[in-house]
Amino acid sequence: DAMVIQNPRYQVTQFGKPVTLSCSQTLNHNVMYWYQQKSSQAPKLLFHYYDKDFNNEADTPDNFQSRRPNTSFCFLDIRSPGLGDAAMYLCATSERVEGEQYFGPGTRLTVT
Amino acid sequence: GDSVTQMEGPVTLSEEAFLTINCTYTATGYPSLFWYVQYPGEGLQLLLKATKADDKGSNKGFEATYRKETTSFHLEKGSVQVSDSAVYFCALIVNSGYALNFGKGTSLLVTP
Repeated sequence: DAMVIQNPRYQVTQFGKPVTLSCSQTLNHNVMYWYQQKSSQAPKLLFHYYDKDFNNEADTPDNFQSRRPNTSFCFLDIRSPGLGDAAMYLCATSERVEGEQYFGPGTRLTVT
Repeated sequence: GDSVTQMEGPVTLSEEAFLTINCTYTATGYPSLFWYVQYPGEGLQLLLKATKADDKGSNKGFEATYRKETTSFHLEKGSVQVSDSAVYFCALIVNSGYALNFGKGTSLLVTP
């Protein structure tokens, strides 16, 4: 089945140690999103790509970066993780910017 | 600004009971409305959607009708199962928008 895949499902990193989370999609969608979801909260959009165009939310910390080398893959880089960055990170895709979004299973990040 | 308000949880029901989860919205444009479901430890799954007034979205026995006059999109199911236990998020995207605007989520627990 076409889908959104996230690896790894669980990631443990040390305080201040850079970490990269990955997302791939077989839907051939133009738009890819990264959301942060903290415990018992709604997902919060960090940024999105429309094709190669990167769009950062105004309140996304500089510590968070993203790369999209091709249509299928998108990466979330956290340059210096803090304890407050522990969360579930969700990747999503959509065919167009106002369309329904399809989510991956998420990567749960723990910062020690 | 655009926002979604959901009923507070947790909601606890016995198997085969009727479910209603209320959702109301405020939007400056003409939003598309969605219900997503999140099972423990998983990403979000699109449950159903409606893109214009009076549309009814339905899937897996769940239904929701886009009511413009009451700015509501309540989720209903006639007979819940234990497997429906999850967190349900109501969300919207306005025309020309890209960010899903989520409610805070409603936790549902169905007991045998």
